[in-house]
Amino acid sequence: DSGVTQTPKHLITATGQRVTLRCSPRSGDLSVYWYQQSLDQGLQFLIQYYNGEERAKGNILERFSAQQFPDLHSELNLSSLELGDSALYFCASSVEGTGANVLTFGAGSRLTVL
Amino acid sequence: GQQVMQIPQYQHVQEGEDFTTYCNSSTTLSNIQWYKQRPGGHPVFLIQLVKSGEVKKQKRLTFQFGEAKKNSSLHITATQTTDVGTYFCVRGTGNQFYFGTGTSLTVIP
Repeated sequence: DSGVTQTPKHLITATGQRVTLRCSPRSGDLSVYWYQQSLDQGLQFLIQYYNGEERAKGNILERFSAQQFPDLHSELNLSSLELGDSALYFCASSVEGTGANVLTFGAGSRLTVL
Repeated sequence: GQQVMQIPQYQHVQEGEDFTTYCNSSTTLSNIQWYKQRPGGHPVFLIQLVKSGEVKKQKRLTFQFGEAKKNSSLHITATQTTDVGTYFCVRGTGNQFYFGTGTSLTVIP
């Protein structure tokens, strides 16, 4: 157990729908990162939050949004889902929000869009 | 761009053989990290290199950071079936971590 909790583990939905993925960072970590990993693909950085504030944006689609709440948990909202959004979504946390820190990953949420 | 390139993309080795994956960047790296993702698992941090020419060892794994801080390598001596997985180098810069393309290692018993 890495200390980073992601729910749900698996999610199956239809095109056009909206889903919310949830992440609780490791205790003491202030920064949360979201990554997307498609089949046989690398990890694409989506967005980062630090202590409730958005810090950096990567290749995140306009249909996707995220936020980090005062208790530091984060949610990734995916709307108007398309078949191509099927992927493994990872949340990672770190103590600080800098690139010199170490990322601790959750087990991921596997999204299947039918 | 921001991504670091890794070669090879796939590597199949016989158990007991050595394995090396290379990571290359077009720009100077402030640091480089390595992560391992087992099949069906999540990435797990292995090590961070910061200094030019740095070499670090973890049992059968040897990590190197190039003198110009533009490349890095991971070498595994005498692979075992437990080494199976995808190895990513990660560029850490500012607030972001950019994962390399990854090298998927298969070890044939």
